Amino acid sequence: DGGITQSPKYLFRKEGQNVTLSCEQNLNHDAMYWYRQDPGQGLRLIYYSQIVNDFQKGDIAEGYSVSREKKESFPLTVTSAQKNPTAFYLCASSMGGARTDTQYFGPGTRLTVL
Amino acid sequence: GNSVTQMEGPVTLSEEAFLTINCTYTATGYPSLFWYVQYPGEGLQLLLKATKADDKGSNKGFEATYRKETTSFHLEKGSVQVSDSAVYFCALSTIGGSQGNLIFGKGTKLSVKP
Repeated sequence: DGGITQSPKYLFRKEGQNVTLSCEQNLNHDAMYWYRQDPGQGLRLIYYSQIVNDFQKGDIAEGYSVSREKKESFPLTVTSAQKNPTAFYLCASSMGGARTDTQYFGPGTRLTVL
Repeated sequence: GNSVTQMEGPVTLSEEAFLTINCTYTATGYPSLFWYVQYPGEGLQLLLKATKADDKGSNKGFEATYRKETTSFHLEKGSVQVSDSAVYFCALSTIGGSQGNLIFGKGTKLSVKP
């Protein structure tokens, strides 16, 4: 089955630690995205990538970093500079970056800071 | 800037009731419009979409019509089921700025009682 996988499903971080969230897709999509979801709010864009080895900051990129070394993978690192990282993180992909393209979402990773 | 406003919830209905969730948008250019659904603890699933004015998106008994004159994309279903209980997000995608980026409303939680 084609789709997007995210791991782990739950992640706990201690203060001062960096953690990396995995996102893999086998849909052969060029574009990939990371969103953050907080209770009672919509999703906010962290980073996106239209093509391998290129990515752009979204609305709330501070304290996060990404890489796009392979088409199917787009890992997100939450650094210690992110002051309030507890949230639900969603990865998505789309065929390209056109406004008509549908974004497909993974199941999410819930990050909790201890 | 671009934005999406959707009715606040929670919305509580009895099974077989008629559902309307209002969504209005502000956008430059010609956005595509989407409704996504999120079940508890899961990622988002595309429910329906419309890419130009007067288009009607439909899926699983849900419908929404792209109304450019009123900048709206209201979600409707004639007879809801308990299994429709979820959070519904209206979103738009437009060219420019973060190309291909989805801008989300805050979500509307729907609870359907038997």
